[in-house]
Amino acid sequence: GDSVTQTEGLVTLTEGLPVMLNCTYQSTYSPFLFWYVQHLNEAPKLLLKSFTDNKRPEHQGFHATLHKSSSSFHLQKSSAQLSDSALYYCALTGNQGKLIFGQGTKLSIKP
Amino acid sequence: DMKVTQMPRYLIKRMGENVLLECGQDMSHETMYWYRQDPGLGLQLIYISYDVDSNSEGDIPKGYRVSRKKREHFSLILDSAKTNQTSVYFCASTPGGSAETLYFGSGTRLTVL
Repeated sequence: GDSVTQTEGLVTLTEGLPVMLNCTYQSTYSPFLFWYVQHLNEAPKLLLKSFTDNKRPEHQGFHATLHKSSSSFHLQKSSAQLSDSALYYCALTGNQGKLIFGQGTKLSIKP
Repeated sequence: DMKVTQMPRYLIKRMGENVLLECGQDMSHETMYWYRQDPGLGLQLIYISYDVDSNSEGDIPKGYRVSRKKREHFSLILDSAKTNQTSVYFCASTPGGSAETLYFGSGTRLTVL
């Protein structure tokens, strides 16, 4: 069935360094891919969504590129900020309107 | 202001008690969801509702049931709660269609003793 894999449970970085969070997926068709971010004691909210025309979505300095050949949608940012510390979920659209989430990656940015 | 409201925020119950988690949205969204969040497991779908009285099981429906009698309200019921149902529960809604953004409530932290 459809699934999302985030291999890193915790990523710790120093402020100013580049960020890359991995996301790979399995799907029987061409799904939409999403990144959601959840700050401490808050609800998850949408960060990025893939486009149908292969444009690269960007928001708050983050971007992600959908590579269908490798079934990946990695999240990147050129320079991490302390405020980027949060839990990040990759997700895809499954059948019947279901959104399937990965296990989540906790990003911790140190000064 | 678009909002998904969950009540209560925190709840402590004893094993075997019944639990009712409530969710409301003011956006007239057709589709609503219940997820549970556990460390290392991410967000797991319990139930999805496509509209009033049109509910479908998610990936982990066992031990749960839902009710949706009005479009704006979606309830999650645990009959005879178990300790392994201790978790954070999130309700979410979306206008409809699989490519739409999910709007999440603030969550209910349930502890079953």
